[in-house]
Amino acid sequence: DSGVTQTPKHLITATGQRVTLRCSPRSGDLSVYWYQQSLDQGLQFLIQYYNGEERAKGNILERFSAQQFPDLHSELNLSSLELGDSALYFCASSVAPRPPGSEQFFGPGTRLTVL
Amino acid sequence: DAKTTQPNSMESNEEEPVHLPCNHSTISGTDYIHWYRQLPSQGPEYVIHGLTSNVNNRMASLAIAEDRKSSTLILHRATLRDAAVYYCILRDGRGDAGGTSYGKLTFGQGTILTVHP
Repeated sequence: DSGVTQTPKHLITATGQRVTLRCSPRSGDLSVYWYQQSLDQGLQFLIQYYNGEERAKGNILERFSAQQFPDLHSELNLSSLELGDSALYFCASSVAPRPPGSEQFFGPGTRLTVL
Repeated sequence: DAKTTQPNSMESNEEEPVHLPCNHSTISGTDYIHWYRQLPSQGPEYVIHGLTSNVNNRMASLAIAEDRKSSTLILHRATLRDAAVYYCILRDGRGDAGGTSYGKLTFGQGTILTVHP
């Protein structure tokens, strides 16, 4: 158990809908990362937050948005869903600040299926 | 991001050592070498990281070439539980100007390790 929790574990929805994925980082971790894993694209970084502020952005679609709340949990919002958004979505957290090299701890993921 | 190259797959027998290679010929002086693995149906899991010197922890050892253009993850005695996809990732140690971003992890295709009983 990494200490990172994600809900829900599975999500099935229809095209055009909007969903929210939730992540609670490990106690004490200020940085949260979101990744998407699909069969054709592999594991891809989406976005990073540190203590409530967006710090880095990857290949995140405009239909996707995220935020980190004062209690440090994070939500990833996916809207106007398409079939291709079906994937595993992972959240990770890390301790910050500390010297470079700190590992990221990953949650169990949310499996999104868009029908 | 500097690129890494790993074999697509490797096989091992249980209780034998496994050496997983990674080439990173364009590594920069501030890049750390990280290894993560992903067990079936789980999120990635940190294994080990290093900068210049060889590193050991309870899970594995990391051997880094003197020129840092390659590295090898060593599992000393493979178990069935070690069957996973192993990712070698370079991570810039400079972070951002504020020192608060330790950066994304850029995953390649990794090496699928199969362990035979």
